[in-house]
Amino acid sequence: DTAVSQTPKYLVTQMGNDKSIKCEQNLGHDTMYWYKQDSKKFLKIMFSYNNKELIINETVPNRFSPKSPDKAHLNLHINSLELGDSAVYFCASSLSGADTGELFFGEGSRLTVL
Amino acid sequence: EDQVTQSPEALRLQEGESSSLNCSYTVSGLRGLFWYRQDPGKGPEFLFTLYSAGEEKEKERLKATLTKKESFLHITAPKPEDSATYLCAVQVKGSWGKLQFGAGTQVVVTP
Repeated sequence: DTAVSQTPKYLVTQMGNDKSIKCEQNLGHDTMYWYKQDSKKFLKIMFSYNNKELIINETVPNRFSPKSPDKAHLNLHINSLELGDSAVYFCASSLSGADTGELFFGEGSRLTVL
Repeated sequence: EDQVTQSPEALRLQEGESSSLNCSYTVSGLRGLFWYRQDPGKGPEFLFTLYSAGEEKEKERLKATLTKKESFLHITAPKPEDSATYLCAVQVKGSWGKLQFGAGTQVVVTP
């Protein structure tokens, strides 16, 4: 049973389209994250939710909107996709604040914008 | 500005040839330093947490150490299954839940 699962694994879409990525964790964690990994493999935090409350909101275009319906789910909606949005998006979860540094990552969703 | 720099970018080892990866950091105040392993097409997998200079952690052929400016990940007598990208991350004091990652070192171990 997968601990952090995200769907879809692959998205290929045209510029200007809107897309969503869904994430679910069954670890009982109260904190969830979205990270973006670009072509140079840098992993950068985008958002973090703790018990459905937005805690971290990095400098990310307004076209990206996260939503956490409950503490086990965190979705990412992207409007008006641009070429530069092509990347792998990882969902992760942890116990509160990741004090131990232990994040559990999903397998990633590779977004390709044409 | 907080920075995490990993070197080398890539490392090719023969099976059994021990080596070390470096993670140097410049942060306003370190809360913790973490090592992860990432296999191709997968999400990062947590390995170690280090909180203070002088601390060491070990797991199988991997050993992580921490000084006030850098951390090393030593791979002793590596096997092909140790091939992966190793990522270093830091958490700065006061930055709740936020891990800042380095670019990683890609390690290939050949038989």
